[in-house]
Amino acid sequence: EIVLTQSPGTLSLSPGERATLSCRASQSLSSSYLAWYQQKPGQAPRLLIYGASSRATGIPDRFSGSGSGTDFTLTVSRLEPEDFAVYYCQQYLTSPNTFGQGTKLEIK
Amino acid sequence: QVQLQQSGPGLVKPSQTLSLTCAISGDTVSSNTATWNWIRQSPSSGLEWLGRTYYRSKWYNDYAISVKSRITINPDTSKNQFSLQLNSVTPEDTAVYYCARGSGGWHYWGQGTLVTVSS
Repeated sequence: EIVLTQSPGTLSLSPGERATLSCRASQSLSSSYLAWYQQKPGQAPRLLIYGASSRATGIPDRFSGSGSGTDFTLTVSRLEPEDFAVYYCQQYLTSPNTFGQGTKLEIK
Repeated sequence: QVQLQQSGPGLVKPSQTLSLTCAISGDTVSSNTATWNWIRQSPSSGLEWLGRTYYRSKWYNDYAISVKSRITINPDTSKNQFSLQLNSVTPEDTAVYYCARGSGGWHYWGQGTLVTVSS
């Protein structure tokens, strides 16, 4: 099973700042099998990024994904109030499709 | 636009069977490009994939090792839906359960069902 480790566990920033979230995989995912999700309380996760860098439909361009192999990054270029939430990475290269433990992005 | 609508009871007694259904609109459970997944989320376990069903000229299933002895996921082509059955539940199975469509990332999710295991 591929293990995904996200860092930091919690990130405290202010609106307008840049957020950088990390996801490290226990084995290579190439550049195609990594997704990022946003989850707000009481809601299902929402797909932001798939294939490591492709934005899902309707996702603002302030969200971007990068990386390959075992190291991946989600960047939010300029935080809006609605961006404060929990973010998960997921690999779908192999079954089981595992998730990271999440990064909570909170308002400073 | 794909939509997934979950249904099923929110309370199950210990040792009984948890049963949930995910009705699909905008796609077909027999799709050759999608997988149909069940996931659960609890404060202690985070997002835990439970299993999936998918069609690639024939039907396939695979399940998480943690629940493999207790889980069944079945497609229902006549109703365009898929179901989850989890046997012999304990309070540790209390969680929010989601269905989701997998196809290069999971673009579509059900609304979630809080299932509590309690007598």
